[in-house]
Amino acid sequence: NAGVTQTPKFQVLKTGQSMTLQCAQDMNHEYMSWYRQDPGMGLRLIHYSVGAGITDQGEVPNGYNVSRSTTEDFPLRLLSAAPSQTSVYFCASRFTGLAENNEQFFGPGTRLTVL
Amino acid sequence: ILNVEQSPQSLHVQEGDSTNFTCSFPSSNFYALHWYRWETAKSPEALFVMTLNGDEKKKGRISATLNTKEGYSYLYIKGSQPEDSATYLCAFNFGNEKLTFGTGTRLTIIP
Repeated sequence: NAGVTQTPKFQVLKTGQSMTLQCAQDMNHEYMSWYRQDPGMGLRLIHYSVGAGITDQGEVPNGYNVSRSTTEDFPLRLLSAAPSQTSVYFCASRFTGLAENNEQFFGPGTRLTVL
Repeated sequence: ILNVEQSPQSLHVQEGDSTNFTCSFPSSNFYALHWYRWETAKSPEALFVMTLNGDEKKKGRISATLNTKEGYSYLYIKGSQPEDSATYLCAFNFGNEKLTFGTGTRLTIIP
Protein backbone atom coordinates (compact mmCIF):
# COMPACT_ATOMS: atom_id res chain seq x y z
CA ASN A 1 0.00 0.00 0.00
CA ALA A 2 1.21 3.49 -0.84
CA GLY A 3 -0.92 4.96 1.97
CA VAL A 4 -1.79 8.63 1.49
CA THR A 5 0.04 10.36 -1.35
CA GLN A 6 0.15 14.06 -2.12
CA THR A 7 1.46 15.99 -5.10
CA PRO A 8 3.25 18.27 -5.56
CA LYS A 9 5.67 18.35 -2.61
CA PHE A 10 6.51 22.01 -3.19
CA GLN A 11 4.80 24.76 -5.15
CA VAL A 12 5.33 28.48 -5.65
CA LEU A 13 2.43 30.54 -6.99
CA LYS A 14 1.87 34.16 -7.78
CA THR A 15 -1.06 36.00 -6.23
CA GLY A 16 -4.20 35.32 -8.24
CA GLN A 17 -3.07 32.05 -9.77
CA SER A 18 -5.13 28.91 -9.28
CA MET A 19 -3.94 25.38 -8.70
CA THR A 20 -5.01 21.97 -7.46
CA LEU A 21 -3.29 19.98 -4.74
CA GLN A 22 -3.74 16.28 -5.34
CA CYS A 23 -4.42 13.68 -2.66
CA ALA A 24 -5.00 9.96 -3.07
CA GLN A 25 -5.29 7.00 -0.72
CA ASP A 26 -5.39 3.27 -1.42
CA MET A 27 -6.76 2.06 1.92
CA ASN A 28 -10.45 2.30 0.99
CA HIS A 29 -10.99 4.93 3.68
CA GLU A 30 -14.34 6.68 3.67
CA TYR A 31 -13.11 9.83 5.45
CA MET A 32 -10.65 12.21 3.83
CA SER A 33 -9.66 15.69 4.91
CA TRP A 34 -7.36 18.62 4.23
CA TYR A 35 -5.48 20.57 6.91
CA ARG A 36 -3.18 23.51 6.81
CA GLN A 37 -0.33 23.94 9.25
CA ASP A 38 0.80 27.39 10.26
CA PRO A 39 3.29 28.34 13.01
CA GLY A 40 1.58 28.57 16.38
CA MET A 41 -1.78 27.49 14.93
CA GLY A 42 -1.43 23.72 14.83
CA LEU A 43 -3.43 21.80 12.25
CA ARG A 44 -6.59 23.53 11.04
CA LEU A 45 -9.24 21.67 9.08
CA ILE A 46 -10.07 23.15 5.67
CA HIS A 47 -12.56 20.68 4.17
CA TYR A 48 -13.48 17.07 4.73
CA SER A 49 -15.46 14.27 3.14
CA VAL A 50 -17.14 11.19 4.63
CA GLY A 51 -17.55 9.46 1.28
CA ALA A 52 -17.72 9.89 -2.47
CA GLY A 53 -20.05 12.72 -3.41
CA ILE A 54 -20.12 14.18 0.13
CA THR A 55 -18.01 17.13 1.26
CA ASP A 56 -18.27 19.66 4.05
CA GLN A 57 -16.44 22.69 5.40
CA GLY A 58 -13.97 22.70 8.23
CA GLU A 59 -12.66 25.64 10.28
CA VAL A 60 -10.96 27.59 7.48
CA PRO A 61 -12.69 26.83 4.14
CA ASN A 62 -12.58 30.26 2.51
CA GLY A 63 -10.56 30.36 -0.70
CA TYR A 64 -10.59 26.59 -1.17
CA ASN A 65 -12.83 24.13 -3.00
CA VAL A 66 -12.94 20.35 -2.86
CA SER A 67 -14.72 17.52 -4.60
CA ARG A 68 -14.88 13.77 -3.99
CA SER A 69 -15.85 11.91 -7.12
CA THR A 70 -14.14 8.67 -6.08
CA THR A 71 -13.28 7.02 -2.76
CA GLU A 72 -9.57 7.29 -3.54
CA ASP A 73 -9.12 10.94 -4.55
CA PHE A 74 -9.74 14.22 -2.75
CA PRO A 75 -8.23 17.21 -4.59
CA LEU A 76 -8.01 20.67 -3.01
CA ARG A 77 -8.40 23.65 -5.33
CA LEU A 78 -7.12 27.13 -4.65
CA LEU A 79 -9.27 29.40 -6.76
CA SER A 80 -7.23 32.61 -6.62
CA ALA A 81 -4.12 32.24 -4.49
CA ALA A 82 -3.35 34.83 -1.83
CA PRO A 83 -0.20 35.28 0.30
CA SER A 84 -2.29 34.28 3.36
CA GLN A 85 -2.54 30.81 1.84
CA THR A 86 1.20 30.26 2.18
CA SER A 87 1.31 27.20 4.37
CA VAL A 88 2.01 23.49 4.56
CA TYR A 89 -0.99 21.43 3.50
CA PHE A 90 -1.67 17.91 4.76
CA CYS A 91 -4.18 15.45 3.40
CA ALA A 92 -5.40 12.70 5.73
CA SER A 93 -7.71 9.71 5.61
CA ARG A 94 -9.25 7.08 7.90
CA PHE A 95 -12.23 4.82 8.30
CA THR A 96 -15.39 6.40 9.70
CA GLY A 97 -17.21 5.24 12.79
CA LEU A 98 -16.43 4.68 16.42
CA ALA A 99 -13.62 2.16 16.39
CA GLU A 100 -10.36 2.12 18.22
CA ASN A 101 -8.46 1.21 15.08
CA ASN A 102 -9.68 4.12 12.96
CA GLU A 103 -6.52 6.15 13.35
CA GLN A 104 -5.92 8.87 10.82
CA PHE A 105 -3.15 8.54 8.23
CA PHE A 106 -1.45 11.66 6.89
CA GLY A 107 0.19 12.34 3.56
CA PRO A 108 3.72 13.79 3.36
CA GLY A 109 2.50 17.37 2.95
CA THR A 110 2.68 20.06 0.26
CA ARG A 111 4.63 23.22 1.00
CA LEU A 112 2.95 26.11 -0.81
CA THR A 113 4.34 29.62 -1.13
CA VAL A 114 2.23 32.41 -2.60
CA LEU A 115 4.18 35.49 -3.65
CA ILE B 1 -16.38 26.94 18.94
CA LEU B 2 -15.43 23.85 20.88
CA ASN B 3 -11.75 23.89 21.77
CA VAL B 4 -9.13 21.28 22.40
CA GLU B 5 -6.35 22.57 24.63
CA GLN B 6 -2.96 21.08 25.33
CA SER B 7 -0.50 21.93 28.06
CA PRO B 8 2.24 22.72 28.39
CA GLN B 9 3.05 24.24 25.00
CA SER B 10 6.64 23.08 25.27
CA LEU B 11 8.70 20.94 27.58
CA HIS B 12 12.39 20.15 28.02
CA VAL B 13 13.13 16.86 29.76
CA GLN B 14 16.42 15.24 30.70
CA GLU B 15 17.13 11.92 29.00
CA GLY B 16 16.01 9.09 31.24
CA ASP B 17 13.38 11.14 33.09
CA SER B 18 9.67 10.46 32.76
CA THR B 19 7.17 13.10 31.76
CA ASN B 20 3.52 13.68 31.05
CA PHE B 21 1.29 16.28 29.43
CA THR B 22 -2.38 17.05 29.16
CA CYS B 23 -5.12 17.33 26.58
CA SER B 24 -8.39 19.01 27.67
CA PHE B 25 -11.59 18.77 25.67
CA PRO B 26 -15.32 19.44 26.11
CA SER B 27 -16.75 16.70 28.34
CA SER B 28 -20.17 16.74 26.67
CA ASN B 29 -20.86 14.69 23.53
CA PHE B 30 -17.62 12.72 23.74
CA TYR B 31 -16.97 10.49 20.75
CA ALA B 32 -13.25 9.72 20.49
CA LEU B 33 -9.85 11.15 21.33
CA HIS B 34 -6.73 10.63 19.23
CA TRP B 35 -3.06 11.13 20.10
CA TYR B 36 -0.44 11.73 17.39
CA ARG B 37 3.31 12.07 17.36
CA TRP B 38 4.77 14.60 14.92
CA GLU B 39 8.47 14.74 14.24
CA THR B 40 9.96 17.78 12.54
CA ALA B 41 9.81 17.62 8.71
CA LYS B 42 7.60 14.52 8.82
CA SER B 43 3.86 13.84 8.93
CA PRO B 44 1.89 13.16 12.13
CA GLU B 45 1.67 9.49 13.07
CA ALA B 46 -1.07 7.96 15.20
CA LEU B 47 -0.26 6.77 18.70
CA PHE B 48 -3.65 5.99 20.21
CA VAL B 49 -7.38 6.23 19.54
CA MET B 50 -9.36 6.23 22.77
CA THR B 51 -13.11 5.86 22.99
CA LEU B 52 -14.12 4.75 26.50
CA ASN B 53 -13.96 6.56 29.82
CA GLY B 54 -11.17 5.05 31.90
CA ASP B 55 -9.33 3.75 28.83
CA GLU B 56 -5.61 3.19 29.26
CA LYS B 57 -3.47 2.52 26.21
CA LYS B 58 0.20 1.61 26.02
CA LYS B 59 2.78 1.42 23.24
CA GLY B 60 6.28 0.69 24.49
CA ARG B 61 7.29 3.47 26.89
CA ILE B 62 4.34 5.68 25.94
CA SER B 63 0.93 5.37 27.56
CA ALA B 64 -2.27 7.40 27.72
CA THR B 65 -5.29 7.65 29.97
CA LEU B 66 -8.74 9.07 29.32
CA ASN B 67 -11.32 10.72 31.58
CA THR B 68 -14.34 11.66 29.51
CA LYS B 69 -16.43 12.85 32.48
CA GLU B 70 -13.98 15.61 33.38
CA GLY B 71 -12.70 16.13 29.83
CA TYR B 72 -9.00 15.32 29.90
CA SER B 73 -6.43 12.83 28.67
CA TYR B 74 -2.85 12.41 29.84
CA LEU B 75 0.06 11.16 27.75
CA TYR B 76 2.96 9.64 29.68
CA ILE B 77 6.47 8.91 28.48
CA LYS B 78 8.60 6.74 30.73
CA GLY B 79 12.40 6.97 30.62
CA SER B 80 12.60 9.61 27.87
CA GLN B 81 15.00 9.01 24.99
CA PRO B 82 16.30 11.51 22.39
CA GLU B 83 14.09 9.89 19.74
CA ASP B 84 11.02 10.92 21.77
CA SER B 85 11.67 14.54 20.81
CA ALA B 86 8.62 15.56 18.78
CA THR B 87 5.37 17.49 18.98
CA TYR B 88 2.54 15.48 20.52
CA LEU B 89 -0.93 16.34 19.25
CA CYS B 90 -4.30 15.35 20.57
CA ALA B 91 -7.45 15.52 18.45
CA PHE B 92 -11.09 15.34 19.46
CA ASN B 93 -13.90 13.79 17.45
CA PHE B 94 -17.12 15.63 18.26
CA GLY B 95 -19.25 12.89 16.74
CA ASN B 96 -19.51 14.27 13.21
CA GLU B 97 -16.28 12.57 12.10
CA LYS B 98 -14.30 15.83 12.08
CA LEU B 99 -11.10 15.75 14.10
CA THR B 100 -10.27 19.03 15.87
CA PHE B 101 -6.61 19.23 16.83
CA GLY B 102 -4.97 20.97 19.75
CA THR B 103 -1.86 23.05 19.09
CA GLY B 104 0.39 20.39 20.56
CA THR B 105 3.05 19.94 23.21
CA ARG B 106 6.57 20.29 21.83
CA LEU B 107 8.86 17.89 23.72
CA THR B 108 12.64 18.20 23.63
CA ILE B 109 14.78 15.54 25.27
CA ILE B 110 18.12 16.82 26.55
CA PRO B 111 20.90 14.20 26.26
